[in-house]
Amino acid sequence: AQSVAQPEDQVNVAEGNPLTVKCTYSVSGNPYLFWYVQYPNRGLQFLLKYITGDNLVKGSYGFEAEFNKSQTSFHLKKPSALVSDSALYFCAVRVTGTASKLTFGTGTRLQVTL
Amino acid sequence: EAQVTQNPRYLITVTGKKLTVTCSQNMNHEYMSWYRQDPGLGLRQIYYSMNVEVTDKGDVPEGYKVSRKEKRNFPLILESPSPNQTSLYFCASSRLAGGFIGAEQYFGPGTRLTVT
Repeated sequence: AQSVAQPEDQVNVAEGNPLTVKCTYSVSGNPYLFWYVQYPNRGLQFLLKYITGDNLVKGSYGFEAEFNKSQTSFHLKKPSALVSDSALYFCAVRVTGTASKLTFGTGTRLQVTL
Repeated sequence: EAQVTQNPRYLITVTGKKLTVTCSQNMNHEYMSWYRQDPGLGLRQIYYSMNVEVTDKGDVPEGYKVSRKEKRNFPLILESPSPNQTSLYFCASSRLAGGFIGAEQYFGPGTRLTVT
C-alpha cells in the first residue's frame, strides 16, 4: 500500500522568511511525487513534481522541493514566503503498477503573516 | 481556457434524494477522477475512469456511482445520499499519453455537498 504523511497540520511563518512544508511517503517501487496547493474556495492547483533525475525540482510561484530517497521525503520549500502563499498544501504520490491511484496526504495549512 | 467545470458548486439536500454532480473537461483528457475532501483526511479517491466506458473504484466508492459515456463528461451520482456523504467533492482530469504516471491532474473548483 502507498501512503503519504504530512506531519504538520499548520505551518506559521513570517513574510520574507524561508518556509518548509514537510512530506514523507511510503511506497513499494519508485515514487512519482507531486505538490498541489489549494487556495480558499478553489480547486487544487499543481505546483511541482518529481519524476526522475535531479533531486531538486522547481515549480510555480518560486516553490521548490527536494526528493530524498534515503529519508523517503519530498519537502516543499521557498526561500522567502509571501502573505499570498497562505493556503492549504497537499503532497501526493503515484507508483508504477498502481498508476491510476494518486494518494494524497492530509494537507498542511501554511499561514504567512506580516 | 483549459478547465474542469463542476456543477453545482453548492448543494444542500435531504437524505435519500438522488442527486448528480456534473463534471466536464475541455482538454481532451482520457483520465478523470472524483475525490472527496474531508478535514483531517485529505483527498480520497471515489472513482476513476481511464477512458470512455472504462471506470473503476477508488478508495471510498460506497454510496456512489459514475458513468463515462463521453470523453469530456464524468458525472458523480448519489442515488440515496446520507449525512456521511456531506463533504467537498472534486473532479479531476489528466492525460494518459506521454507518460501518464508523471502527469499532473487538473482539478475542478469543487462542489460542497450537505446532506441533512
